[in-house]
Amino acid sequence: AQSVTQLGSHVSVSEGALVLLRCNYSSSVPPYLFWYVQYPNQGLQLLLKYTSAATLVKGINGFEAEFKKSETSFHLTKPSAHMSDAAEYFCAVQNTGTASKLTFGTGTRLQVTL
Amino acid sequence: DAGVTQSPTHLIKTRGQQVTLRCSPISGHKSVSWYQQVLGQGPQFIFQYYEKEERGRGNFPDRFSARQFPNYSSELNVNALLLGDSALYLCASSFLSSGNTIYFGEGSWLTVV
Repeated sequence: AQSVTQLGSHVSVSEGALVLLRCNYSSSVPPYLFWYVQYPNQGLQLLLKYTSAATLVKGINGFEAEFKKSETSFHLTKPSAHMSDAAEYFCAVQNTGTASKLTFGTGTRLQVTL
Repeated sequence: DAGVTQSPTHLIKTRGQQVTLRCSPISGHKSVSWYQQVLGQGPQFIFQYYEKEERGRGNFPDRFSARQFPNYSSELNVNALLLGDSALYLCASSFLSSGNTIYFGEGSWLTVV
């Protein structure tokens, strides 16, 4: 079964600093990969998704992620953090042949400080 | 357009009781999935339904069941509640094809006491 691993359960950055949230996937075939954000007491909001159209994917709120097959990675970045970016971020992989089923990582909580 | 809607938003149940959670998908979406998110963890897949048929099931006991109605709305039922069932239950809807965006509702917070 396909899976994702998120390194770092907590990441803290200063406002204006680079945000880097790590995600590695395990898959024998090119997967569909997603990043979701969850604000406190809310559901999940899609930030971006990779579906093999382009390796660099741009999402909402200034976030982007690059699919690197050689590294089996799909790290999420944002050039300049904002206080409003503080939330929980989840990387997810869509299992081949089971459309709509997502397998999520354990999540990374992003803290943004002044 | 309305997103995925879930009800109730919060509920408290006693151990051993039964609970029913409801979900309405985005208009046009025929696939509905349910996920359980325990505090501090990522969501775990429970069920997927498409055209009223179960298309996938996660590693959950038979106490968990679901169904989908002709209007594509769905219910998740949990019987004989345990303390460990306390979680945020998320409903998601999408088109069936792989790679399509999966949209989540705000969830139903279940507390079992």
